[in-house]
Formats: sequence, structure tokens, C-alpha cells
Amino acid sequence: KAGVTQTPRYLIKTRGQQVTLSCSPISGHRSVSWYQQTPGQGLQFLFEYFSETQRNKGNFPGRFSGRQFSNSRSEMNVSTLELGDSALYLCASSRAWADNEQFFGPGTRLTVL
Amino acid sequence: TQLLEQSPQFLSIQEGENLTVYCNSSSVFSSLQWYRQEPGEGPVLLVTVVTGGEVKKLKRLTFQFGDARKDSSLHITAAQPGDTGLYLCAGAPQTGANNLFFGTGTRLTVIP
Repeated sequence: KAGVTQTPRYLIKTRGQQVTLSCSPISGHRSVSWYQQTPGQGLQFLFEYFSETQRNKGNFPGRFSGRQFSNSRSEMNVSTLELGDSALYLCASSRAWADNEQFFGPGTRLTVL
Repeated sequence: TQLLEQSPQFLSIQEGENLTVYCNSSSVFSSLQWYRQEPGEGPVLLVTVVTGGEVKKLKRLTFQFGDARKDSSLHITAAQPGDTGLYLCAGAPQTGANNLFFGTGTRLTVIP
């Protein structure tokens, strides 16, 4: 069974641009969560999607948004990029909403210049 | 915010030694997960503990969930270089939501 896949793996953008990251969950998993990992703050929860609906949201500004498609694939978007948005963005899938066993993808390394 | 403090933050030991990593919080969690992460990769789930006082063994790794479900420990026996990595604990809130609160991490280096 294939794991969680994330594309692209690496991305370089400049301040003010926007970016879209993609995540394909494990087959059969219907919940997708997104996390941001930085050296200073560690892993922080961004949001969770289940059945194409955002079920939970972390403490991030509105520049961070996401969506989920009917096939459970998910995208997250960051608009008006700031230097501080440089991070590893991780997607995790689980079988259902509130199923706490989450399986992570390899992440997308975003660098904002 | 439900904070999880891990200790120690860094650990460098010789191959064959034993070690324990601690994960502590003032909050109660419905479950707690342990992950290992290698550079440039996502965290890999090692174990989930759900019941207070629960002990789970995974080969040379022993995981324990505190009786009050506020803390956990990970013990590694006879550490090997392949155990090197960042160990993260993560607690699931009692609200039923799926947002894990991650610990500060313990970076383990096992020297051959």
C-alpha cells in the first residue's frame, strides 16, 4: 500500500508570492491534516479536512488555507508569502475524522527568499 | 495550547547503552503517539498508547503511558546506530478532534 505522497518536495518562492502544496493520502484514508514544522516552533497543526470539509483549524493567519477533494486528496495554499513561512509542510492522513493515528508524508520544504 | 515537554532535548550515547526519553504535560490526552523522524523526511509512527498505565513493547523499544494520561516515556534497550533520529511525542486532545499536539522533540545520536 502506497504511503502519503506530497508534491512538490522542494519549493523556492519570494516574498509576496503565493504557493499551493498537494497531498495524496493513503488509499482508503479520508482525513487529511496539515502541519508546519520549523526549528523554532516544532510541529504545529494547521488544519484538518474530512469529507471535503474543514473540521479543525490551528492558530495560523488567514493567509493559510486548504481544501479537500472528493477523492480525499488535499491542497493547502499560502498567499502573500513571508520569510517566516519558510518551513517543512507536512501532510498526514488517517482513516477517519478524529482517528488519532496519523501517517505522515515526506513533506514539502518551502523556502521563502 | 496543550504543551508537551520532552527531555532530554539532545542525547548522544554509545552503541549498546540504554536510554529513556520523557514526555510530560499538564494536560490530559485521549491518546499519545510516538514518532521518529529522520532529516528531510516526515515523522514515522512508532506506537499509539491509549489507556492510562499502558505499556507497549516494540522490539527494543518500550513505551509507557502515565496513569493520569498526562505523560509518557520511551525506553530503548541496547541502542543501535539505526535508532538515531528525532523522537517526537504527540498527544491527541480529549475533544475528539484530530489535531495532534507535538512535543519539543529529543534528538538522539547513537555512536557506533
